[in-house]
Amino acid sequence: DTAVSQTPKYLVTQMGNDKSIKCEQNLGHDTMYWYKQDSKKFLKIMFSYNNKELIINETVPNRFSPKSPDKAHLNLHINSLELGDSAVYFCASSPGQGNTIYFGEGSWLTVV
Amino acid sequence: AQSVTQLGSHVSVSEGALVLLRCNYSSSVPPYLFWYVQYPNQGLQLLLKYTSAATLVKGINGFEAEFKKSETSFHLTKPSAHMSDAAEYFCAVSDEGGSGNTGKLIFGQGTTLQVKP
Repeated sequence: DTAVSQTPKYLVTQMGNDKSIKCEQNLGHDTMYWYKQDSKKFLKIMFSYNNKELIINETVPNRFSPKSPDKAHLNLHINSLELGDSAVYFCASSPGQGNTIYFGEGSWLTVV
Repeated sequence: AQSVTQLGSHVSVSEGALVLLRCNYSSSVPPYLFWYVQYPNQGLQLLLKYTSAATLVKGINGFEAEFKKSETSFHLTKPSAHMSDAAEYFCAVSDEGGSGNTGKLIFGQGTTLQVKP
């Protein structure tokens, strides 16, 4: 009965390809996030949506485009993948500011 | 702007010993503070959180943390380490937010806890 689920868990792809990571939460939360964890395990927010509207867009390259078809889903599409995009991408959700943020299991992206 | 600093990227303790993971924060408003744990190849799991109620917060798996405003600290402790506690631990502060509910987390660099038999 997974609360925040993301697919795929592992993804190996070549430079220049386009790929998507899907995320769904069944917690009824209004806010969803994408975080990136780099090779040094540092976590940083990329995007945040509240009720399908983009509210946080950190300094992320335009090749990254989030899409929220409804408040339970937040997908991440990445164009023209680069070696530096290799990382773990975490989807998360929350009822709102100050509340616990619940994380998915992560998607391990390796660009070769 | 808010920030979090975790002192010590690696902490090694013997099984049964006290665990102390240090976290200091910077915030211009009363913060919401969190500790998360990440086991290998897994996502982040909430250990505990401080949201301006009791300053001593108890979490899962025997962990607790004390909010000390005068020291701007939120150190994580556990009286007796178990082998299963070996993991990566992250301290985080919730963003002040602006209009709307953002509540993004700003993470520290993480501390790897090693537990020796």
